[in-house]
Amino acid sequence: QKEVEQNSGPLSVPEGAIASLNCTYSDRGSQSFFWYRQYSGKSPELIMFIYSNGDKEDGRFTAQLNKASQYVSLLIRDSQPSDSATYLCAGVNSGGSNYKLTFGKGTLLTVNP
Amino acid sequence: EADIYQTPRYLVIGTGKKITLECSQTMGHDKMYWYQQDPGMELHLIHYSYGVNSTEKGDLSSESTVSRIRTEHFPLTLESARPSHTSQYLCASSDTWGGEQFFGPGTRLTVL
Repeated sequence: QKEVEQNSGPLSVPEGAIASLNCTYSDRGSQSFFWYRQYSGKSPELIMFIYSNGDKEDGRFTAQLNKASQYVSLLIRDSQPSDSATYLCAGVNSGGSNYKLTFGKGTLLTVNP
Repeated sequence: EADIYQTPRYLVIGTGKKITLECSQTMGHDKMYWYQQDPGMELHLIHYSYGVNSTEKGDLSSESTVSRIRTEHFPLTLESARPSHTSQYLCASSDTWGGEQFFGPGTRLTVL
């Protein structure tokens, strides 16, 4: 069973702080990873994707991938109350016949004003 | 504007009824997906499609069926709804295998 694991939280940070969301995966063949944000009662929306080791930055968001440790993270700088949502990590093994995304259960983030 | 649409957004229906959840996309994507998500729980893939006339079952067993007669349309059907089918159903599409998936707004189904 290929799994993506996330701490379900809730993770609570004060406004303006850095929120760190973590994800581990069991499939060493996984090559691409996606971070989605899902507000309560809404559908997931893509924040970032990453497929190379290292960091990828987009505005206040930084995704980090460490394939040796099978670890993916999302950092949110200058957290805002509007960032309060569930963050889903998803991985895909693009090298095999299975191109489906495997989603984690998500981490609930609360940013306190 | 390229987008992905789902109708209805909310549906409350009695046990035994046949229902069809609609999903359409104007993004020109070949790959389409159906996920089921209970409140506060993870997404489960129930069906996906490579393209026209190609459908596959996902990781979570589902009594629903799908069809893909047109590239932009991927409806999901439940022949006889039961309370255990109560959930949120999310449709998604992608341009490539392993690429980012874009989600529709979802259909929240309640079976009484």
